[in-house]
Amino acid sequence: GQQLNQSPQSMFIQEGEDVSMNCTSSSIFNTWLWYKQDPGEGPVLLIALYKAGELTSNGRLTAQFGITRKDSFLNISASIPSDVGIYFCAGQEETSGSRLTFGEGTQLTVNP
Amino acid sequence: DGGITQSPKYLFRKEGQNVTLSCEQNLNHDAMYWYRQDPGQGLRLIYYSQIVNDFQKGDIAEGYSVSREKKESFPLTVTSAQKNPTAFYLCASSRLGGSPLHFGNGTRLTVT
Repeated sequence: GQQLNQSPQSMFIQEGEDVSMNCTSSSIFNTWLWYKQDPGEGPVLLIALYKAGELTSNGRLTAQFGITRKDSFLNISASIPSDVGIYFCAGQEETSGSRLTFGEGTQLTVNP
Repeated sequence: DGGITQSPKYLFRKEGQNVTLSCEQNLNHDAMYWYRQDPGQGLRLIYYSQIVNDFQKGDIAEGYSVSREKKESFPLTVTSAQKNPTAFYLCASSRLGGSPLHFGNGTRLTVT
């Protein structure tokens, strides 16, 4: 199956810094999702995007659905220690029914 | 509270034994999914089902089997044919037609 290219693979930042991560695909997607996974737990949905160009915020998190429909980014502002975890992007192609394709994740470490 | 319940949280088996992982949801979702997650990697789709008594292979179905006799339940059997079964297994569900996946908290399977 197709994989999304998610970058960076890992990030080490100081508390209070802003973070940005992104995903790109060779296919057009009609839905982009961003999840966070804590160690030993299942991923939790952070933001869902359904329209090209859409910019959505959830607290300190902001995500955008790229105009080309082949990319998306997630920004975290003023990071705090509990932001630590793995962040996954996921996309859904028009022809894939309800199947999602996941990126390989960005491991975020926040130093207090 | 609606959600997805996976059990057990940790499972240990000897090589050559089949093992069944449980997944139950009370979200009234039509679609259910099984993913495998290995350390430092993204989520890979094993099987999914969009309706009772029907299911489709995902990207890594070899060595696994599923059933969908009830809308609420989608058990996964890891057979002895699976060459490298030790992994973290995640179950998810969604409404049909592009809605986000909701994940359970996973089962960590260790086969020795």
